[in-house]
Amino acid sequence: DAGVIQSPRHEVTEMGQEVTLRCKPISGHDYLFWYRQTMMRGLELLIYFNNNVPIDDSGMPEDRFSAKMPNASFSTLKIQPSEPRDSAVYFCASSSTGYYGYTFGSGTRLTVV
Amino acid sequence: GESVGLHLPTLSVQEGDNSIINCAYSNSASDYFIWYKQESGKGPQFIIDIRSNMDKRQGQRVTVLLNKTVKHLSLQIAATQPGDSAVYFCAERDGANNLFFGTGTRLTVIP
Repeated sequence: DAGVIQSPRHEVTEMGQEVTLRCKPISGHDYLFWYRQTMMRGLELLIYFNNNVPIDDSGMPEDRFSAKMPNASFSTLKIQPSEPRDSAVYFCASSSTGYYGYTFGSGTRLTVV
Repeated sequence: GESVGLHLPTLSVQEGDNSIINCAYSNSASDYFIWYKQESGKGPQFIIDIRSNMDKRQGQRVTVLLNKTVKHLSLQIAATQPGDSAVYFCAERDGANNLFFGTGTRLTVIP
């Protein structure tokens, strides 16, 4: 298995632009998580899905953030409009029922200028 | 929400020495704990886990100790190698199946 795959690895965008981050979880995993990592706040859970259904989005900072999971093999995290304070590394992770650890992707480093 | 904190933000050890990374957690109802290693430019990687009904678990060169009385978790790395240099996170799982991560400790191995 190739693990959790995220794209792009790096994204530089101008303030106000729309940004879409993508994630392919491990095949067979029924949980998918989006995290944001910054020096100041560490790893923050933004939202997670179970069987493609959003379960808890209380970590999504604002309405500018949205996440979808149209099928078991794909999820997106969208920021519209982006702001400089959104600059961070965004990680996607997946897990399966009965296994409590998460497998993380390599992350997307987002820079909003 | 839960508070998972680390005692030290940085730790430097000589190659070959043993390393001990500590973590305090606040939720006495947490039943599962994980240590992750994060190398530069990569996502966190699972190292070892422990359930709350255990107080010690060993892996290859790593040992996790759990003290539920004082809500303390530690990761011991034997014969630390340069490849062990990374940021280490502890994480706890609450009753609702959520994982909460600590702020991380940066381990630097001095050759």
